[in-house]
Amino acid sequence: AQKVTQAQTEISVVEKEDVTLDCVYETRDTTYYLFWYKQPPSGELVFLIRRNSFDEQNEISGRYSWNFQKSTSSFNFTITASQVVDSAVYFCALSEGYTGTASKLTFGTGTRLQVTL
Amino acid sequence: KAGVTQTPRYLIKTRGQQVTLSCSPISGHRSVSWYQQTPGQGLQFLFEYFSETQRNKGNFPGRFSGRQFSNSRSEMNVSTLELGDSALYLCASSLGFDGPNTEAFFGQGTRLTVV
Repeated sequence: AQKVTQAQTEISVVEKEDVTLDCVYETRDTTYYLFWYKQPPSGELVFLIRRNSFDEQNEISGRYSWNFQKSTSSFNFTITASQVVDSAVYFCALSEGYTGTASKLTFGTGTRLQVTL
Repeated sequence: KAGVTQTPRYLIKTRGQQVTLSCSPISGHRSVSWYQQTPGQGLQFLFEYFSETQRNKGNFPGRFSGRQFSNSRSEMNVSTLELGDSALYLCASSLGFDGPNTEAFFGQGTRLTVV
């Protein structure tokens, strides 16, 4: 069975600090996809990134970066120079196979990030 | 373009009643997936509909059902409500196939409270 673990329940940082959100996953499949979503107080899940198991390249998008390491089954997310608007709950998710949908995603329990001035 | 619309946003029902939630996907999207989010169980997959057919199903009892219409709008129904059904119900819309720029978009959810 697949499983996603986000051990950090809540993180508090001061604006401009860098912060890393950890994600460890378990799956028996060799082909799988990993996702990060952001859930602001309004409730919707906002897609941040998708990565397949064959692509271990790290990715940077503005202040966001992701580090995928198959050897440790981890897919960590770093926010550089955090801002108050980054305050939200962040979810890591796993899909065995991908159909271009949100079907059968296994989510972690989420990490609540609080960024203060 | 308009996003995913879920109605109603908030709902209070009594134990034993039934409820219907609605999800209008982004225009052109044919897949709708439903999730239940609770503090105890987190985000759990309910089912996915694609072109009016249920394509995938999670591990929920038969009290939870859904359907999709020809315009891709989807409804989910919960019968004989229990207190434990209190949750945020999220739907996600997508084109329904893999490829570039095919990620799913979530609605703001319907918060159901069962009393």
